[in-house]
Formats: sequence, C-alpha cells, structure tokens
Amino acid sequence: ETGVTQSPTHLIKTRGQQVTLRCSSQSGHNTVSWYQQALGQGPQFIFQYYREEENGRGNFPPRFSGLQFPNYSSELNVNALELDDSALYLCASSPTGGRAGETQYFGPGTRLLVL
Amino acid sequence: DQQVKQNSPSLSVQEGRISILNCDYTNSMFDYFLWYKKYPAEGPTFLISISSIKDKNEDGRFTVFLNKSAKHLSLHIVPSQPGDSAVYFCAASDSGSGGYQKVTFGTGTKLQVIP
Repeated sequence: ETGVTQSPTHLIKTRGQQVTLRCSSQSGHNTVSWYQQALGQGPQFIFQYYREEENGRGNFPPRFSGLQFPNYSSELNVNALELDDSALYLCASSPTGGRAGETQYFGPGTRLLVL
Repeated sequence: DQQVKQNSPSLSVQEGRISILNCDYTNSMFDYFLWYKKYPAEGPTFLISISSIKDKNEDGRFTVFLNKSAKHLSLHIVPSQPGDSAVYFCAASDSGSGGYQKVTFGTGTKLQVIP
C-alpha cells in the first residue's frame, strides 16, 4: 500500500501568479482534503472532495479551487497569489466519505513561497 | 477564532517520564478528537482519537483523556522515549458539519524527550 504523495516539494511564485499543487491519495481512498499550514500554526482546512465533488469548504476565498480525479489524484489551484499564501500545503486522504473522527492519511506537503 | 487551543508551544521531558500534552476547545459541537504527530519534513501521522461519548482511550503508551465539561483533553505518553520527540497536534471534528470531515487543528506542541 503506497502512501500519500505530493508534488512538487517546494515552489516559488510571485504575487499575482497562479499555482497548481498535486496530490496522489492512497489507492481506494475516495476522500481527499486540503489544508494550509502557515508558519507556527496548525493546518487549516481548505476544502474536501468526495468522489470528484467538493463536499465541504473552510474559510478560504474562491481563488482556492480543486479537482479530484478517478485515479485517486487531486489538485489544488490557487489564482492571483498573495504574499499570505506562503505556507505548507497538505493533502490528506481517507477511505470513505470523510466521517468525523475518521483517520486521515497526510502527504508530506508542498512548501509554497510567494514573493 | 481559535476553536482548538494548545497553549504550550513546547515541552521538554526526561526519557522514561510521563509527557502530558494539553488541549482546550471552545466549540461544543465537536464530537471527535484526534491527536496527530508530525516529524520535520513529513505530514502529520494519526496517533490516537476519542469520541465525545468516552472519557478515556488507551493505545499502548498513549492515553487520551477527555473532560467535556471543561472542554479539555490531554494526551499522556508513558514512558516517554526519544523517538516521541515531534510536534503534536490536537484536532477536533464535528459529525454534524454537513456530511464532510472538517477537522480543526490546534497550533501544536513541540515535545522534546531528553535521553
């Protein structure tokens, strides 16, 4: 059983640009969630996808969007990058519909720096 | 609005002694609580969880205690080992959050176990 992987590991962008981060969930996991972890903070929930549909969203603006594909891969897209978007972005997969309390399996994250 | 709070950013404990990590929450709708451990350059790893219908859950050296009236939970590690040195995140979720798993994390406590 392979773990959750993310690419790239590090990324530098400039303000106003767009970025796409990728995640490959564990095989058989239908749910993927994305988190933003700013320096010195805990991960903050961005949104969750279940079977290719967004089914939950945190307090993030619409310029944060996502996609989930049938092959257990997913993307986080951020448009019009701002300096405050600099953070570690984590994806996490879980086997079923994302029930409360269900274990999530996290990837190592993508560190994004916006200059 | 920090709904999950870990007021101790760091903790140092001697090997073999007990480590106690504390967490407070404000949202009374939370009904599952989880602890995750994070090593540098890795994603968080699930450690132990507890539902709100219990007040204690034990798994080997790790025990989580929940005091609902005080909105407080704690993680006990006995005995502490050098390999336990990591950042520990307290997290909570609400099963009534619309069918998806919105997990709210605390800011983390960095545990150092001194040999």
